[in-house]
Amino acid sequence: GQNIDQPTEMTATEGAIVQINCTYQTSGFNGLFWYQQHAGEAPTFLSYNVLDGLEEKGRFSSFLSRSKGYSYLLLKELQMKDSASYLCAVTKAAGNKLTFGGGTRVLVKP
Amino acid sequence: EAGVTQFPSHSVIEKGQTVTLRCDPISGHDNLYWYRRVMGKEIKFLLHFVKESKQDESGMPNNRFLAERTGGTYSTLKVQPAELEDSGVYFCASSRGASGEQYFGPGTRLTVT
Repeated sequence: GQNIDQPTEMTATEGAIVQINCTYQTSGFNGLFWYQQHAGEAPTFLSYNVLDGLEEKGRFSSFLSRSKGYSYLLLKELQMKDSASYLCAVTKAAGNKLTFGGGTRVLVKP
Repeated sequence: EAGVTQFPSHSVIEKGQTVTLRCDPISGHDNLYWYRRVMGKEIKFLLHFVKESKQDESGMPNNRFLAERTGGTYSTLKVQPAELEDSGVYFCASSRGASGEQYFGPGTRLTVT
């Protein structure tokens, strides 16, 4: 089986930084995705990590440690529009189905 | 390039009725996936098509669910007969390659009463 854990909810202030952690336990791990989902909308792709290390893309960065089964998504210079759910999902070596965590709802306050 | 589209956006049906959900993937995407999110739970995988063939249907909950992708373009997911526990949001996603980013549609919210 697979187990993916992430916090349920986080609150941060506009302009600040927030780090969303995701831990996973899975056999045959291939890679880890982060998606953003605003209420009532489609999940949209943010990042994909296969190798250990940090991937930076503008205000968003994602980190992966395969040996620790750990990833984080870092959101910098928070904006009000960043209020959304952030979904961590893993893929196994065989096939490409996504296995999701429960999502972290981030609320950005002025 | 148009994104993944799903129809209908909402459906309310009574227990025992039949509902058919449709997904149109991004043009040229051979891989098509169905996922579902029931209330309070995480998004869960249902099945994966490569063109018109079912690559992986390990997530299909039972034989009341039937997915098709005739011609390898759009896909339908039929629930017959619907039960209360089938309520949730059904997402479709597509990707060009087997290991690429999956693009999600806005989902169909199904309510079974």
